[in-house]
Amino acid sequence: NAGVTQTPKFRVLKTGQSMTLLCAQDMNHEYMYWYRQDPGMGLRLIHYSVGEGTTAKGEVPDGYNVSRLKKQNFLLGLESAAPSQTSVYFCASRWTGGDEQYFGPGTRLTVT
Amino acid sequence: AQKVTQAQTEISVVEKEDVTLDCVYETRDTTYYLFWYKQPPSGELVFLIRRNSFDEQNEISGRYSWNFQKSTSSFNFTITASQVVDSAVYFCALSEAKTSYDKVIFGPGTSLSVIP
Repeated sequence: NAGVTQTPKFRVLKTGQSMTLLCAQDMNHEYMYWYRQDPGMGLRLIHYSVGEGTTAKGEVPDGYNVSRLKKQNFLLGLESAAPSQTSVYFCASRWTGGDEQYFGPGTRLTVT
Repeated sequence: AQKVTQAQTEISVVEKEDVTLDCVYETRDTTYYLFWYKQPPSGELVFLIRRNSFDEQNEISGRYSWNFQKSTSSFNFTITASQVVDSAVYFCALSEAKTSYDKVIFGPGTSLSVIP
């Protein structure tokens, strides 16, 4: 099993450009999450999904959109990137509520 | 509202010293889960422990131990005889029953440096 994978690993964008981050898991987990990690602020929840076709907002959803068209994939989109979105993005999944999360390796995004 | 506080931003200890990482949480729920995760310099996040709110027994796993006290809303993590490999950022996290455990809120993390 590959676990949780994230594509790409690194990306540099210019302000105003758009991109999509892909998270894939092969563990048949129901729950999937997108977090951003910034120095001194820990992991902040952007959006999450409790099952295929469902999404919900987390703590810092503005400027991001998500989709969960297939159970194994959770996409994070930036429609118009801003320098404030420079961060490391982590995807995670878990089987049911209350279980521990499995994290992907992270995507380092820089917006200039 | 859920909130997790890790007041210690950075800690440095000399190898073989014991160190305790503090975690204080806020919740209005009576049923919840608490977690600890480790993020070594390589960047991946590794699950360490999960504790539900009805289980206040302390837990020991090798050099690691956890002290859960509902009376003070704390879930502290102690590393005994620290080693250089323990150098990492450690995160405490919380999920609540009232949100069906859907959301997991993380603290800001404590960066631990173990000096040889």
